[in-house]
Amino acid sequence: GQNIDQPTEMTATEGAIVQINCTYQTSGFNGLFWYQQHAGEAPTFLSYNVLDGLEEKGRFSSFLSRSKGYSYLLLKELQMKDSASYLCAVRDTLGSGGYQKVTFGTGTKLQVIP
Amino acid sequence: EAQVTQNPRYLITVTGKKLTVTCSQNMNHEYMSWYRQDPGLGLRQIYYSMNVEVTDKGDVPEGYKVSRKEKRNFPLILESPSPNQTSLYFCASRLGLAGKETQYFGPGTRLLVL
Repeated sequence: GQNIDQPTEMTATEGAIVQINCTYQTSGFNGLFWYQQHAGEAPTFLSYNVLDGLEEKGRFSSFLSRSKGYSYLLLKELQMKDSASYLCAVRDTLGSGGYQKVTFGTGTKLQVIP
Repeated sequence: EAQVTQNPRYLITVTGKKLTVTCSQNMNHEYMSWYRQDPGLGLRQIYYSMNVEVTDKGDVPEGYKVSRKEKRNFPLILESPSPNQTSLYFCASRLGLAGKETQYFGPGTRLLVL
């Protein structure tokens, strides 16, 4: 199975930068996703990493170190609308019949304050 | 517009009364999944399907059934709902296995079992 850990809650100030960490353990790693989820709504895709390094997309960046089983999501120039939960999800190759399962962490609830 | 739809969005029912939550996607995706989301537990996979007539159990399948008679539809069936199935349910679909191709989530169904 997989074990995915991320902080439960974080608070940051509007305009600042925040880093949300995710650590995972899996023997068949095949990609890591970050999703944003506003309360009561569906998760929406933010970023994908499969190789080590940094992927940048506007105000959002995601980093991966496969050897350390570690990823982070970096949010710059925080806005009030960034208040949401951020889900780390890991895909592995261990499913039956070739199915590549995606397992989600419990999410980090980010509160952006003025 | 590419989307995953679920119905109903909200449902209050009583213990033992059979119910079905429908899920439909218009993207010709092969892979579909059902998740439930509970506070502190994150998104947990109930069942998944790799194609028509191909379904398998996820992490928490007890008390649920699914079917995949057509590619676009993947209904979730609760034969005899119990209060511990009160949860927020999401259907998701994705095209295939590889690369940055992500899952698309439906809007969610909030179920209360009394």
